[in-house]
Amino acid sequence: AQKVTQAQTEISVVEKEDVTLDCVYETRDTTYYLFWYKQPPSGELVFLIRRNSFDEQNEISGRYSWNFQKSTSSFNFTITASQVVDSAVYFCALSEWYRGSTLGRLYFGRGTQLTVWP
Amino acid sequence: GAVVSQHPSWVICKSGTSVKIECRSLDFQATTMFWYRQFPKQSLMLMATSNEGSKATYEQGVEKDKFLINHASLTLSTLTVTSAHPEDSSFYICSAADRTYNSPLHFGNGTRLTVT
Repeated sequence: AQKVTQAQTEISVVEKEDVTLDCVYETRDTTYYLFWYKQPPSGELVFLIRRNSFDEQNEISGRYSWNFQKSTSSFNFTITASQVVDSAVYFCALSEWYRGSTLGRLYFGRGTQLTVWP
Repeated sequence: GAVVSQHPSWVICKSGTSVKIECRSLDFQATTMFWYRQFPKQSLMLMATSNEGSKATYEQGVEKDKFLINHASLTLSTLTVTSAHPEDSSFYICSAADRTYNSPLHFGNGTRLTVT
């Protein structure tokens, strides 16, 4: 079974629209980390956020915000007032306890291709 | 901030040859590095975990004799694709965790391998 599910394969929006990328995860651990990464066409992975399992506070960073709901095992990502430069593949990832740390191997979702049209 | 350097960023090689990819942590010591593989429009799949000074741990289905991993120092891990074939063409990306585990995992920029 997949540990991280990103049900949306592709999303297209027009500039200035808000868009939410869904992420549902599965783990038996009580201690874990969740991540979001952005992968532009050039291929590198750009770190966006890391959230530990004990911190359910929502976070806002500029136009980005994240909604962590342990009750539904979801960690959704919203971009407000999207821009063309936001076009990329976005990956949600889970890190479980590994060798005394939770910052170990990552399980990635399949990614969501976001296209923002001008 | 912490940086992981991966080299080369792209490589084209002929079938049957071997290719070495380097992953370096530039300003921190990485006791553990991870090698991922990504097919076009697919997710990243962990291939192996590279531990400094010991043998790498491979994921199920990954041929350890084909994908040789060496983690000889706290700042360098290498992945060698031996006797490469066209089906090995893929995007390979490494990540590294520092000792403090207080910073996010750092990723290299990836290596796009094309085997002709």
